[in-house]
Amino acid sequence: GDSVTQMEGPVTLSEEAFLTINCTYTATGYPSLFWYVQYPGEGLQLLLKATKADDKGSNKGFEATYRKETTSFHLEKGSVQVSDSAVYFCALHGGSTLGRLYFGRGTQLTVWP
Amino acid sequence: GAVVSQHPSRVICKSGTSVKIECRSLDFQATTMFWYRQFPKQSLMLMATSNEGSKATYEQGVEKDKFLINHASLTLSTLTVTSAHPEDSSFYICSAKERQGGRTNYGYTFGSGTRLTVV
Repeated sequence: GDSVTQMEGPVTLSEEAFLTINCTYTATGYPSLFWYVQYPGEGLQLLLKATKADDKGSNKGFEATYRKETTSFHLEKGSVQVSDSAVYFCALHGGSTLGRLYFGRGTQLTVWP
Repeated sequence: GAVVSQHPSRVICKSGTSVKIECRSLDFQATTMFWYRQFPKQSLMLMATSNEGSKATYEQGVEKDKFLINHASLTLSTLTVTSAHPEDSSFYICSAKERQGGRTNYGYTFGSGTRLTVV
């Protein structure tokens, strides 16, 4: 079945450091891939998405490229800020009419000034 | 953009009572609503999927009689936790799937979550 494997955290970085959060997936079809961000006590917000192979999703300095050959969708940011501290979830939609998302475990990111 | 209003944001209730959580889609029609439960420092666990006007589909291991889901209209879905116990304390999040032009796209909009504490 469809699933997402996400690197475990927590990840602690200094401001302006480079961020990578790894995400790999398993899917029977051609999934769409997403990164969501959750700030403390809040729901999830869509950060970026990619719907087909080689697409690059980007938003707020974050980027992720849909790599079919490695079944990956790693999240990167060149220079993190304190305000980026949150939990990040990788997710996929397998393309079925059921429409559910499959989430990774989430990675807690803490950025220190 | 699309917004889902989830209420209440926090609720404390006594053991044995019932709690209702509402999710309303603003400015769009939510043909499908997903209800998730999130334990501390863990991922989202899908509890059930509901389509407007039909019975919810529950995930394995989720008690349908305990977690009552109603999706009576295209803008409102409710989750009622019946006879709540301390182990039901958790963060509950809804997610509405938006339909555009008759073809469902990948527009998922999440509510802000409800922190339930049962004492």
